[in-house]
Amino acid sequence: AQSVTQPDIHITVSEGASLELRCNYSYGATPYLFWYVQSPGQGLQLLLKYFSGDTLVQGIKGFEAEFKRSQSSFNLRKPSVHWSDAAEYFCAVGANSGYSTLTFGKGTMLLVSP
Amino acid sequence: DAGITQSPRHKVTETGTPVTLRCHQTENHRYMYWYRQDPGHGLRLIHYSYGVKDTDKGEVSDGYSVSRSKTEDFLLTLESATSSQTSVYFCAISEPGQGAPGYTFGSGTRLTVV
Repeated sequence: AQSVTQPDIHITVSEGASLELRCNYSYGATPYLFWYVQSPGQGLQLLLKYFSGDTLVQGIKGFEAEFKRSQSSFNLRKPSVHWSDAAEYFCAVGANSGYSTLTFGKGTMLLVSP
Repeated sequence: DAGITQSPRHKVTETGTPVTLRCHQTENHRYMYWYRQDPGHGLRLIHYSYGVKDTDKGEVSDGYSVSRSKTEDFLLTLESATSSQTSVYFCAISEPGQGAPGYTFGSGTRLTVV
């Protein structure tokens, strides 16, 4: 069975500082990997995705993530955080096929301090 | 979110009553999903559909049923609502054959069972 672990429930980062959110997955083959962001009271918005090719993927809002097969990780990074980045972030994994259900991590709440 | 609408957005109901939540899409996507979101649990899959009248259970399907009589509509029914079903419910859609399309999420339905 596939699973996702986001080790950090909350993270506080100063505005302008760099950010890294951790995601570890468990899956038997090459997975599809996703990062979503959720602002309060809103649905989830796709930030970026990985399914093959270059292991460093770029997303929206200046985010990037790196797939490391040897570490079963897909960490999300941003070089300089803005106050508007405060939200909850979810990592998700799915089967490497044309369709699959996604399994989500429990989320990491990002707080941005002035 | 564009192309996917959930109704109602908020609902308060009494224990033991049936409740139906609706997800409507205009994207003609084949796959539709119902998730629930609870603090500390992230998103968990309730049911999903891979075509008209084709549905399957997710990890937390007990107490829920679904129906899909048209491509655009996916209904989630709580047969007899319980307090443990108080949650935020999200519908999502996806279409295979596009690499790793990920999901598009609706804005959610906040359900309170009293």
